[in-house]
Amino acid sequence: NAGVTQTPKFQVLKTGQSMTLQCAQDMNHEYMSWYRQDPGMGLRLIHYSVGAGITDQGEVPNGYNVSRSTTEDFPLRLLSAAPSQTSVYFCASGRQAREKLFFGSGTQLSVL
Amino acid sequence: SQQGEEDPQALSIQEGENATMNCSYKTSINNLQWYRQNSGRGLVHLILIRSNEREKHSGRLRVTLDTSKKSSSLLITASRAADTASYFCATEGSGNTGKLIFGQGTTLQVKP
Repeated sequence: NAGVTQTPKFQVLKTGQSMTLQCAQDMNHEYMSWYRQDPGMGLRLIHYSVGAGITDQGEVPNGYNVSRSTTEDFPLRLLSAAPSQTSVYFCASGRQAREKLFFGSGTQLSVL
Repeated sequence: SQQGEEDPQALSIQEGENATMNCSYKTSINNLQWYRQNSGRGLVHLILIRSNEREKHSGRLRVTLDTSKKSSSLLITASRAADTASYFCATEGSGNTGKLIFGQGTTLQVKP
């Protein structure tokens, strides 16, 4: 099993550009989530999904969209990138939010 | 606002010493989890303690939970240089919210 796979590992964007961060898991987990990690801020929840077709907002959802058309995939879309979205992004999956989560290796995003 | 807050923010000890990290949270929880993050990597699940448990052990890790004080502690005994990492607590509020919220973390340095 590959676990949780995130692509790309690094990305540089210009302000206003859009892009999609990919996340895929092969553990048949119902729960998937996206976090961003900034220095001194810990991890902040952006969006999460409790199953295919179901998504909801986390702590910092503004500027991000998600969809969950399959159990395996949970892409995160930046609609119009801003410098404030410079961060490291982590995708995680698990059977439920209250159970053990498995994390991807992260995407380091810089918005210039 | 963060559900969990860790204390101290940073801790530096010698190899062989014990390391204690504390986590406080604000609302009722189903369980509390501890994760570890090595520099530049994704988070790895360490241990989960349920709200009806007071203490749990896993190898050199000991976790306690005091729901009356809304606090938890993580003790790493006989620390090793390889334990150098950041440690995070995470909680989901009671009621199956689907939101697993992380604290800001404690950065542990173990000197050889």
